[in-house]
Amino acid sequence: DAKTTQPPSMDCAEGRAANLPCNHSTISGNEYVYWYRQIHSQGPQYIIHGLKNNETNEMASLIITEDRKSSTLILPHATLRDTAVYYCIVRALITQGGSEKLVFGKGTKLTVNP
Amino acid sequence: DTGVSQDPRHKITKRGQNVTFRCDPISEHNRLYWYRQTLGQGPEFLTYFQNEAQLEKSRLLSDRFSAERPKGSFSTLEIQRTEQGDSAMYLCASSLTRDQETQYFGPGTRLLVL
Repeated sequence: DAKTTQPPSMDCAEGRAANLPCNHSTISGNEYVYWYRQIHSQGPQYIIHGLKNNETNEMASLIITEDRKSSTLILPHATLRDTAVYYCIVRALITQGGSEKLVFGKGTKLTVNP
Repeated sequence: DTGVSQDPRHKITKRGQNVTFRCDPISEHNRLYWYRQTLGQGPEFLTYFQNEAQLEKSRLLSDRFSAERPKGSFSTLEIQRTEQGDSAMYLCASSLTRDQETQYFGPGTRLLVL
């Protein structure tokens, strides 16, 4: 079973920031938070991951709470092409006793509206 | 394009036929994964290879399924005596140990068993 909880769907206006929450209250100290998204009929696309600190890349920002029990993926200026299912996954590295498999839940269906 | 590639992208077959899918990982990635995704669900792990060694198989991988990675580069997934329940998207991903094991996915092969 997935170790994360996400809202099933969210809407966002084009050009606005999209803030996608994820709850992972049972996360272990060595587990990372990964975000992927899947645009209709395509393979999942890696977005970002983090352990404790907030992370930012060209696609998004990841904000992890201090207690690490939840996180938020931020798309700063959502476009229509950001409409997708967003998956939040927690996983430890294999080299630190983690699993090689990603366990996906049902994710959040984000719809960006014009 | 240096991403993960999969072939074919679509396959329609009749029940009872055998099918084979191919995955070419990102060059030099030593780990390769297969996942299956049915409609409305997140991807589910099937099996993974480190170089040419198949290190884990999910219980989802019945004895009609076989995967190989003979030279530690490309991989094939064969399904024998296909059933309608095998209809799904079959996804391949690859990762590199040094790169914090981030998995990058291919576009998937969509299988329809009639």
